[in-house]
Amino acid sequence: AQSVAQPEDQVNVAEGNPLTVKCTYSVSGNPYLFWYVQYPNRGLQFLLKYITGDNLVKGSYGFEAEFNKSQTSFHLKKPSALVSDSALYFCAVRDANRDDKIIFGKGTRLHILP
Amino acid sequence: DAGVTQSPTHLIKTRGQHVTLRCSPISGHKSVSWYQQVLGQGPQFIFQYYEKEERGRGNFPDRFSARQFPNYSSELNVNALLLGDSALYLCASSSWPGRATVSNQPQHFGDGTRLSIL
Repeated sequence: AQSVAQPEDQVNVAEGNPLTVKCTYSVSGNPYLFWYVQYPNRGLQFLLKYITGDNLVKGSYGFEAEFNKSQTSFHLKKPSALVSDSALYFCAVRDANRDDKIIFGKGTRLHILP
Repeated sequence: DAGVTQSPTHLIKTRGQHVTLRCSPISGHKSVSWYQQVLGQGPQFIFQYYEKEERGRGNFPDRFSARQFPNYSSELNVNALLLGDSALYLCASSSWPGRATVSNQPQHFGDGTRLSIL
């Protein structure tokens, strides 16, 4: 069965420092992987996706993510955090070989400290 | 361009009642999905529709139903409401490369309908 794990409920980072939000996944076939961000009382906003090709994917607002097949991970990263990056981040996966649903992780709350 | 729009934004119902939530996708998007997001959790997949046909269904009871109209807008219906149905209901639209393929396109979300059951 498909699953996504975001092992950290919350991540605290000082402004200007690099940040990482962790995600691991499980699918039977090849994965389509996504990161979304959610601000209070809003829907989810798409940040980036991995479909195939280069393992390092660049997305919106300076975020990037690294696909690691052997570790089944897709960690979200940013070289220098901004206070405005504080939000709830969701990792999601879809099995590329199945016409099936997309599964979201439970989310990681990112706090950027001024 | 307008994004995904959902109505109403907030709704209060009592147990046993019925509710209809509405969603208009981004222009040109033919696929609409519905999600339930309980406080503190990630979105849980309810339904996906493509060109008026159901393409996927999550683990929700038969009290939940949906449909998609010729203009690709969609409704989510929930009957016999329970306290546990209180949640943010999100609609998302996406482009779809073709009927026979699995979509690798991202979902574009509306801001949701906050449903409270008293």
